Amino acid sequence: SQQGEEDPQALSIQEGENATMNCSYKTSINNLQWYRQNSGRGLVHLILIRSNEREKHSGRLRVTLDTSKKSSSLLITASRAADTASYFCATGGSNDYKLSFGAGTTVTVRA
Amino acid sequence: NAGVTQTPKFQVLKTGQSMTLQCAQDMNHEYMSWYRQDPGMGLRLIHYSVGAGITDQGEVPNGYNVSRSTTEDFPLRLLSAAPSQTSVYFCASSYGQDDGTEAFFGQGTRLTVV
Repeated sequence: SQQGEEDPQALSIQEGENATMNCSYKTSINNLQWYRQNSGRGLVHLILIRSNEREKHSGRLRVTLDTSKKSSSLLITASRAADTASYFCATGGSNDYKLSFGAGTTVTVRA
Repeated sequence: NAGVTQTPKFQVLKTGQSMTLQCAQDMNHEYMSWYRQDPGMGLRLIHYSVGAGITDQGEVPNGYNVSRSTTEDFPLRLLSAAPSQTSVYFCASSYGQDDGTEAFFGQGTRLTVV
């Protein structure tokens, strides 16, 4: 079964607004990653946060991790039309390299 | 660098046919994996490999076979295609670091079984 679940399933925002999506997972993790998928393309890695970290930034991306609540959030600030994509969280366990993906959040940024 | 290359990009099979989806990476990654992506279900792990000669099953391995004779290549074989195997297939590779590293994905193979 899948480890992560994203919320919401879909999000529509105006260009310039911020987009926030959440990921909840079930079992303990080693790391949590966020990926972006443009329509018809492969997944592209955005950011990785380890279980001993609480927050990470990369450009317009901000990721938080709360291991006590088994949840993570991805914030995209000042969204652009090019941010229109599906976003997936993936969890990595200890002692293996497998990633378990959620079903994703589809983000539409309106011009 | 080419990264992760999957071939073919599109394929239509008849029920019962067999085929091999190719995956090659040029980054000397130890870890490679195959996923299938179905609408509303995210990616599900089919098989994975932690190095040449070592493979293991993922979440949904039935109907699929893999081998890893070289570090670079990780082909996925459909033994007898079924309509339930209609999906988009992604190959991924990574360094396989214990505390996690990013995975690099191919562009996908869209398979239709009729």
